[in-house]
Amino acid sequence: DIQMTQSPSSLSASVGDRVTITCRASQGISNNLAWYQQKPGTVPKLLIYAASTLQSGVPSRFSGSGSGTDFTLTISSLQPEDVATYYCQKYNSAPRTFGQGTKVEIK
Amino acid sequence: EVQLVESGGGLLQPGGSLRLSCAASGFTFSFYAMSWVRQAPGRGLEWVSTISTSDGNTYYADSVKGRFTISRDNSKKTLYLQMNSLRAEDTAVYYCAKEVVATIWGDAFDIWGQGTMVTVSS
Repeated sequence: DIQMTQSPSSLSASVGDRVTITCRASQGISNNLAWYQQKPGTVPKLLIYAASTLQSGVPSRFSGSGSGTDFTLTISSLQPEDVATYYCQKYNSAPRTFGQGTKVEIK
Repeated sequence: EVQLVESGGGLLQPGGSLRLSCAASGFTFSFYAMSWVRQAPGRGLEWVSTISTSDGNTYYADSVKGRFTISRDNSKKTLYLQMNSLRAEDTAVYYCAKEVVATIWGDAFDIWGQGTMVTVSS
């Protein structure tokens, strides 16, 4: 099975900072990767799919890149409402594994 | 409005059985593959199972294979998860989720239900 490894597991940054989260697949998955945001006590929300396609309604400060095994989620200017845990997921074949999550906090 | 509403969660003893339901509205249910994802308390997301559209093929995580069965009733626009031989480690919030694109299966999850809690404890 393909493993999905996110880093870091947590980070603390200031409002306005550029934040980058990485996700590495143990084998190539082309661009079949999604990013989700889960705020405390809420349901996961799709941010990006196909590695770089922004889901409708998601602020443009979020962006995704990568293909094959290495992927990144970037928040260009961190906002207080971005405090959440972020998950990557490979979705084109079973098991549709999620990364372990990256918790983002405001410094 | 596109919506998924889960029901059927509860508290039960190890070895017990439970059936979760997910009622869909606001989209053509039969066109979309559907999945279950769970989240144990304080833990990350774990994909559980997917059912495709036209061919009804099913897929399971190793952790539930042989114990859980996913099914769908397109006439009722409802997704199900039959859970048997439940274990303490199955304790989690269970979410149903719809895929972005109307294909057989294999896309990201754009719509999630609010979740239903399953607690397995003696």
